[in-house]
Amino acid sequence: EPEVTQTPSHQVTQMGQEVILRCVPISNHLYFYWYRQILGQKVEFLVSFYNNEISEKSEIFDDQFSVERPDGSNFTLKIRSTKLEDSAMYFCASSLGFNNEQFFGPGTRLTVL
Amino acid sequence: GESVGLHLPTLSVQEGDNSIINCAYSNSASDYFIWYKQESGKGPQFIIDIRSNMDKRQGQRVTVLLNKTVKHLSLQIAATQPGDSAVYFCAETLSSNTGKLIFGQGTTLQVKP
Repeated sequence: EPEVTQTPSHQVTQMGQEVILRCVPISNHLYFYWYRQILGQKVEFLVSFYNNEISEKSEIFDDQFSVERPDGSNFTLKIRSTKLEDSAMYFCASSLGFNNEQFFGPGTRLTVL
Repeated sequence: GESVGLHLPTLSVQEGDNSIINCAYSNSASDYFIWYKQESGKGPQFIIDIRSNMDKRQGQRVTVLLNKTVKHLSLQIAATQPGDSAVYFCAETLSSNTGKLIFGQGTTLQVKP
């Protein structure tokens, strides 16, 4: 069964450093998303991406965040200068259409020290 | 046993009993609703969805009920098993939108053997 994959599973970084979280969505999906989940809290939407551009972004997704689909398979989330409060689980998801089931990856745990 | 009513952060049931997990959604314009299951250290996993033109949908051992009048969603799990132990989230979206999912507060389901 096809699945969304994410790397790394755990990323530890120093405050102020740049991080890139990587995702490989399901191959025939067209819509891609990033969500985050701070420990013990609900999942929060960050950004949706379609046709090589951002469809919608949340208030959390400020100028420090960017997304890219550098080739036909990867979808990345970059945080330019990490803050302590960026520590969270980051989930990538993909779907066939914007009103279809979203499949989530296993997540990357980001720890900012 | 089963529990109905307002959202509870934790629901504890005996193996074999039925479980009911409730959720109040926020946007009366939302027209697509999904229940996700999240096991420890994993990403959300799709369980069942329902669109606003329906008030009930059944899957294997699970049923989702939608009450648009009071903006309420519930997930019923029949014959609850230890493998059902997880955090359950409801999510809503507007299908004419960009796929952005708005997640509710999770309910932790604990199944006692």
